Amino acid sequence: DAGVIQSPRHEVTEMGQEVTLRCKPISGHDYLFWYRQTMMRGLELLIYFNNNVPIDDSGMPEDRFSAKMPNASFSTLKIQPSEPRDSAVYFCASTPRRNNEQFFGPGTRLTVL
Amino acid sequence: DAKTTQPNSMESNEEEPVHLPCNHSTISGTDYIHWYRQLPSQGPEYVIHGLTSNVNNRMASLAIAEDRKSSTLILHRATLRDAAVYYCIPLQTGANNLFFGTGTRLTVIP
Repeated sequence: DAGVIQSPRHEVTEMGQEVTLRCKPISGHDYLFWYRQTMMRGLELLIYFNNNVPIDDSGMPEDRFSAKMPNASFSTLKIQPSEPRDSAVYFCASTPRRNNEQFFGPGTRLTVL
Repeated sequence: DAKTTQPNSMESNEEEPVHLPCNHSTISGTDYIHWYRQLPSQGPEYVIHGLTSNVNNRMASLAIAEDRKSSTLILHRATLRDAAVYYCIPLQTGANNLFFGTGTRLTVIP
């Protein structure tokens, strides 16, 4: 298996623009997670899905952030409008079942100017 | 969620064993102890997890104190590729929310 796939790997955009990050989980994994990592706040869980349904979005910072999972093999994290403080590395992870090891993707480094 | 305390940084010589401690004195009886590590410029990587007894896998060993208020991740022979930030994470049975603290940055000296 190729592992968790994220795209793009790097994104540079200007404040106010819409940003869409993409994730393909490992086939057969029922859980998908979105994390954000910054120097100030470390690694934070934003939202996670089970069988394509959002279960816990309490980590989503504000209404500018939204996440979808239209099918078992694809998820998006959208920021609209983006702000410089959104600059971070965004990781996607998946796992086949609860309390199991999570497999992380390589991350998307987002820079908002 | 249980709080964890880990040293900010540790050093080890290459090919020597490394013991990475973690205090989790508020852990509940059903929390598993998970360890992840993050190599430079990569996503976190699962290392090992356990509940009560010591655990071994190809990457490391996990020693859990009898009272479960602390645990130690053991790398038997550190290599340069083991240089990473190591996170100790208590996780409730059936839960999925991994809360990463600040972790321990391990430096391996050639």
